[in-house]
Amino acid sequence: SQQGEEDPQALSIQEGENATMNCSYKTSINNLQWYRQNSGRGLVHLILIRSNEREKHSGRLRVTLDTSKKSSSLLITASRAADTASYFCATDDGGGSEKLVFGKGTKLTVNP
Amino acid sequence: KAGVTQTPRYLIKTRGQQVTLSCSPISGHRSVSWYQQTPGQGLQFLFEYFSETQRNKGNFPGRFSGRQFSNSRSEMNVSTLELGDSALYLCASSLGPGYNSPLHFGNGTRLTVT
Repeated sequence: SQQGEEDPQALSIQEGENATMNCSYKTSINNLQWYRQNSGRGLVHLILIRSNEREKHSGRLRVTLDTSKKSSSLLITASRAADTASYFCATDDGGGSEKLVFGKGTKLTVNP
Repeated sequence: KAGVTQTPRYLIKTRGQQVTLSCSPISGHRSVSWYQQTPGQGLQFLFEYFSETQRNKGNFPGRFSGRQFSNSRSEMNVSTLELGDSALYLCASSLGPGYNSPLHFGNGTRLTVT
């Protein structure tokens, strides 16, 4: 079953602007993870945020988690052309099976 | 530390054949997960192995199988290939269970079935 769903599906911005991507999920989770994928390559882990955390930072990345709304957001500040990639959220699938399932991703394009 | 290594990088097979894909995890990682990625379905969970035992399995037919060896290396096998099996197959390793630990992905094996 697909747990996380990213929004928007695609986002195009100029270098230097901020990019915000959202993820909504259906059932209670243990944690939520964000990953980046450059075209045709493997995914790279960005941040893991646990259900009892509200916000985490890593460099230019900021992730928030609102368990009451079952949603998370990923903010990339001062974006660069190298941030062009697809971004995925992932959660356990909520059925107690402890599988990590991914959404379909947001395709971010940063124009120089 | 060396990253996750998947071999081969590209593979072309014909319908009805079988294929074996290999994954070497990061040293010290005991959990290996496999995913299938297609443009239409996105990333679909195949299975996860921990200490040579299958912890979880996704909703794929029995033609998809895997195993993990004592050195944590893993293989997945697809028998009686169908056109719809064309995809990028991704392997990921982690220290703990995949749902609770960051996954480290290889660059995948691109399988084309003709």
